[in-house]
Amino acid sequence: NAGVTQTPKFRVLKTGQSMTLLCAQDMNHEYMYWYRQDPGMGLRLIHYSVGEGTTAKGEVPDGYNVSRLKKQNFLLGLESAAPSQTSVYFCASSYSWGQGRLTTNEKLFFGSGTQLSVL
Amino acid sequence: QQQVKQSPQSLIVQKGGISIINCAYENTAFDYFPWYQQFPGKGPALLIAIRPDVSEKKEGRFTISFNKSAKQFSLHIMDSQPGDSATYFCAASMNRDDKIIFGKGTRLHILP
Repeated sequence: NAGVTQTPKFRVLKTGQSMTLLCAQDMNHEYMYWYRQDPGMGLRLIHYSVGEGTTAKGEVPDGYNVSRLKKQNFLLGLESAAPSQTSVYFCASSYSWGQGRLTTNEKLFFGSGTQLSVL
Repeated sequence: QQQVKQSPQSLIVQKGGISIINCAYENTAFDYFPWYQQFPGKGPALLIAIRPDVSEKKEGRFTISFNKSAKQFSLHIMDSQPGDSATYFCAASMNRDDKIIFGKGTRLHILP
């Protein structure tokens, strides 16, 4: 049982290049999230999805796009990378909540992160 | 717009001491308050969580104290150990929303 897997773990881009981060979960979770973590800024939500085929904007969506074509996968794309996008990116997943309100349903499972540097 | 304010930003505690991290929130619609623990090079993991219908929740050495009227909650780590050295995030969410809002984190270092 792998949980939440992110690829790649490290990446260096030049300004203007594009790339896609892949998140895969094997827990049959409905909800998936992309966060970025910067020193002193905590975890900020970029985009999220409440089910296959759906996406929504979070706190800091500009410069990113996402897709959820399959329930188990959530892709984060950078079309034209900028130095301000240098960060550690975390994917997370959870069961849907707002329903049942069981503790386990509200638990976020995080991947181990992707360190992205944009030069 | 930061809806969950966390302090201190960093904390150093002697082994065996009590570590205390505080958080304050603004939105009274929040009804679920988790704490996440993150070790270097790893993703955050749920440590303990509380709902506003109780004032305290304890799990082992970790306790959440909740003050609904003050809109504040805190994490207490009793008998702090070097293995507790990590970054801790408080967070909040509401039933009708699909997101968790995180604080900015506290880097805790326990001196051996």
